[in-house]
Order: sequence, then structure tokens, then C-alpha cells
Amino acid sequence: SYVLTQPPSVSVAPGKTASITCGGNNIGSKSVHWYQQRPGQAPVLVIYYDTDRPSGIPERFSGSNSGHTATLTISRVEAGDEADYYCQVWDSSSDHYVFGTGTKVTVL
Amino acid sequence: QVQVVQSGPEVKKPGASVKVSCTASGYTFTDYYIHWVRQAPGQGLEWMGWINPNNGGTELAQKFQDRVTMTRDTSISTAFMELSSLRSDDTAVYYCARAATGTTDGDAFHIWGQGTLVTVSS
Repeated sequence: SYVLTQPPSVSVAPGKTASITCGGNNIGSKSVHWYQQRPGQAPVLVIYYDTDRPSGIPERFSGSNSGHTATLTISRVEAGDEADYYCQVWDSSSDHYVFGTGTKVTVL
Repeated sequence: QVQVVQSGPEVKKPGASVKVSCTASGYTFTDYYIHWVRQAPGQGLEWMGWINPNNGGTELAQKFQDRVTMTRDTSISTAFMELSSLRSDDTAVYYCARAATGTTDGDAFHIWGQGTLVTVSS
């Protein structure tokens, strides 16, 4: 089955930029979605189809996808961005969805 | 506004079944897939499957194919997920989520329910 690998944790100072990677075999050929999950809350979609932002998501959130790595970038990080972030793809070979292992973002 | 609201927490004994509901409002229920995702305590997200509310068709993750049934009742805009033969490692928060754009494979999960805690304990 298709595997998505994320770093367990990323730390960033307020106002700086956080980059969260999502590795998968030829992931650049798939569409990647990203979710933010604050403690005790349901996930929130922050990026879909690699680069699109749903209504209400700040422009500080952006995405890219190429080769074997997709990246979620959070610019001008704020304390409220502290959360777990998950990438997700649909594996067409199995018709199944796969989530990444998740990355905890800590704002210093 | 567009939302999906889930049923309340459940406590079940091993071997029992649980049925979680997900009621949609603010949009046409039959126009968007409903997905089910679970999260064990301290763990990541795990996709369980989807249901097409228009025709009742489902796609289940291989892991759940023999224990999960997904159904819907269009008259009340509600999707259901039933998990049978419960074990202690089924203890988790179960989420339903509406697809972002409709009934397309590979779509994102846009509107999430609040989650339903299912506890399996003897």
C-alpha cells in the first residue's frame, strides 16, 4: 500500500516560516490535500489539490508538490498555527485514501 | 451554514456493534460523498471508507471490509457507519467528513463533523 512519510515534529519561531514535508513514491503525480488539527478538535482542510486554499484559510498557508515530496508552507507563523498537520492522497491503484503520519508544529 | 453533525459518545463491550450517525444540513445531501475517518487516542488519522449518498454505493478500506457497514437515509440527510465485533483497539474518535467538490475520486474532505468518541471496554 502507498505510504506517506512526514517528520514527527517541526519547531518554528513566531513570524518565521514553517515547512512541513510529505514524502511518497512519485507523489508529484498525485493530488495532495493538507489538514490542520488543533488539540481536541476535528481536522480542518487548509490546502487541497496541491495548492488551493479553501475559503477562510489565510494566504499564509501554501502548498507545492513535485517529484517525491509535497510541502506545506506556513509563512509568518502565529501562535494559533500550533497544531498537528496531516497530508493525504488518493491511491488510484487501490481506490483508497491514505493519510500521512502527521507532523506536530510547535511555535516557540 | 453547511455542516455535518454527529451522534453522541458511545460505550460498548467487546464483541458488540456501534452505529454512528452523521446528519447533513445547508447543502444537497446527495451531491457529495461522505467519508468516515477514525483517530485512536494519541494516534493519526485513518480513512475507513466513503458512501455515495445518491445511490448508496460504498468503498471501504481493506482493513474494515468485513466489519464496517455504511448506509444512508436520504429522507433525513443522514449517513451511518456501523462497526461490528468491537475490540479494545477500536476505541477512537470517529469522524464523518463531506467531500469538497462532490463525488469525484481523490477529492479532499472539506466539512468535518465534531467527532464521536467510541469507547470499547469490558
